[in-house]
Amino acid sequence: DIQMTQSPSSLSASVGDRVTITCRASQGIRNDLGWFQQKPGKAPKRLIYAASSLQSGVPSRFSGSVSGTEFTLTISSLQPEDFATYYCLQYNSYPYTFGQGTKLEIK
Amino acid sequence: EVQLVESGGGLVQPGGSLRLSCAASGFTFSDPYMDWVRQAPGKGLEWVGRTANKAASYTTEYAASVKGRFTISRDDSKNSLYLQMNSLKTEDTAVYYCRGGYWSSGSMDVWGKGTTVTVSS
Repeated sequence: DIQMTQSPSSLSASVGDRVTITCRASQGIRNDLGWFQQKPGKAPKRLIYAASSLQSGVPSRFSGSVSGTEFTLTISSLQPEDFATYYCLQYNSYPYTFGQGTKLEIK
Repeated sequence: EVQLVESGGGLVQPGGSLRLSCAASGFTFSDPYMDWVRQAPGKGLEWVGRTANKAASYTTEYAASVKGRFTISRDDSKNSLYLQMNSLKTEDTAVYYCRGGYWSSGSMDVWGKGTTVTVSS
């Protein structure tokens, strides 16, 4: 199975900060990765698909990039509504696997 | 409005069975593959499995943790997805989400609000 190692597990930041979250795949997954945002008691919401493509309706302050097996989600300027938990998901091969999650908290 | 609504969750004893349903509306249900994803209390997301569409012969894939105990099926005539869960364990306690769409394309990614399954004696 492909392991997705996500870091950091938690992050404190302020409104207006630039933050990055990383997922490293245990083997090559091409660009078969998505990023999701989840707020307490709610279903996940996809932000990025195919490693770097922005889901329709998602603000442009969210972006994704990839270098080899390392995938990065960047939020360019944090807004109050961005404080949530973020997950990556690889869908290159079965079983699909999520990263452990990054809880983004207000500093 | 594109929508998925799960039902069928509840309290069940270890070793018991439960069948979850997911009703779809607002899109052509027969087109996309459909997945189940779960989240144990206070934990992260776990992909449970998926069913393909008719063109792919409704093939299924599962996480190792549920393989042989859970069965995913769909009824395109009823716009419904199912998750049959047998031999339930306490570690199966979670919110179960159904999800539909295309992982590699931005055309659709829809999730239900989830249904809670509690396995406890």
